[in-house]
Amino acid sequence: EVQLVQSGPEVKKSGESLKMSCQGSGYNFGTYWIGWVRQIPGKGLEWMGIIFPGDSETRYNPSLEGRVTFSVDKSSKTAYMQWSSLKASDSGMYFCARRPRFSSGRDFFTAFDIWGQGTMVTVS
Amino acid sequence: DIQMAQSPSSLSAAVGDRVTISCRASDNIGAYLNWYQHKPGSAPNLLIFAASSLHTGVPSRFSGSGSGTDFTLTISSLQPEDFATYYCQQSYSLPRTFGQGTKVEIK
Repeated sequence: EVQLVQSGPEVKKSGESLKMSCQGSGYNFGTYWIGWVRQIPGKGLEWMGIIFPGDSETRYNPSLEGRVTFSVDKSSKTAYMQWSSLKASDSGMYFCARRPRFSSGRDFFTAFDIWGQGTMVTVS
Repeated sequence: DIQMAQSPSSLSAAVGDRVTISCRASDNIGAYLNWYQHKPGSAPNLLIFAASSLHTGVPSRFSGSGSGTDFTLTISSLQPEDFATYYCQQSYSLPRTFGQGTKVEIK
């Protein structure tokens, strides 16, 4: 079974750092981009960025203002998201997701097809 | 960034109803549009990619249409398990952006 399993809930104080994980199984971890998406309470989904486990190439949402770093450990098939200096407004649910390419006609499209169960982060 | 605007923000419908959700992009995104279903306490599920391609395992009552800036998600006959929030997402340029969501509630 293809799945992503995320680390457990976190409770932090403003200004603290945080590192959460996302472990893949059931597929070739190194050949699919992994993305991070968050949902702030009462709001919708926000695309945070993606990382390619094969070479650790990353793309970040500029709105994160450099406070987030993505990394991977290919040996354990795990992706990480590290926050520096958390704010109360960072409280929410954080998802990792696999991002394959789909073909339609002669074009290729991307979307998140497998998602982790989410990590709840509370910052006070 | 490309802005995605969904309408309505919420709707009430009964089982068996035909439901239509709209999504408008601030720039031309061709067919680079995905639709997701999100239920409370669960992870989102991919329904549609490339504006109109049904993802594996998604019931055929879901369909997508549109191109350029205007897109539509249609549920032909609403089922009890379809009550959820639906999001569109553009996959044309970085950063990828989502619509604000449309909550489908029971009438």
